[in-house]
Amino acid sequence: GEDVEQSLFLSVREGDSSVINCTYTDSSSTYLYWYKQEPGAGLQLLTYIFSNMDMKQDQRLTVLLNKKDKHLSLRIADTQTGDSAIYFCAERDQAGTALIFGKGTTLSVSS
Amino acid sequence: EAGVAQSPRYKIIEKRQSVAFWCNPISGHATLYWYQQILGQGPKLLIQFQNNGVVDDSQLPKDRFSAERLKGVDSTLKIQPAKLEDSAVYLCASSHSGGVSNTEAFFGQGTRLTVV
Repeated sequence: GEDVEQSLFLSVREGDSSVINCTYTDSSSTYLYWYKQEPGAGLQLLTYIFSNMDMKQDQRLTVLLNKKDKHLSLRIADTQTGDSAIYFCAERDQAGTALIFGKGTTLSVSS
Repeated sequence: EAGVAQSPRYKIIEKRQSVAFWCNPISGHATLYWYQQILGQGPKLLIQFQNNGVVDDSQLPKDRFSAERLKGVDSTLKIQPAKLEDSAVYLCASSHSGGVSNTEAFFGQGTRLTVV
């Protein structure tokens, strides 16, 4: 079945780069997503990548996709304390409709 | 543009009681989702509507959960009777289309349910 795996915690210092990793199982996924969830808030779409791309850059965010290994990563450059949150990797289900989420990676940024 | 509205924000009930959650999606969004997010886990899809029809409810525990989307706009999710393991945040999301094309799903703030 479809499954998305992520490491649970990441701790970095302010100004460093953060790299959050994700693996997925459904090779037919057309889009892969990164969502951010702050305490008490809903999920906010950060960025997404189409499966025929290897990399996508959006300001401080860089998404890398290794389709052969089914590995997705999110790099946050110059990490700030405001980036502290839970980050979810998600893929579309086989029907291409709903999202399948990982368990989330808690990013803690210290000053 | 107003976001996805959900109410209530918090609810505490005793097991075996019933509870209902309400969601108002972004105007014009045909697709509406209900997700369950248990503490420490990612959101899990419960049900997806396209207008007022159900697209996917395969993960909905139909013996106790029900949902409707009358007139293809607002939606309610009901649990009756509630169990302790239903304690979670219930997230509503909406999007323009539920198809393969990349259409962003916008999430509400969620309703945090605690069953005691």
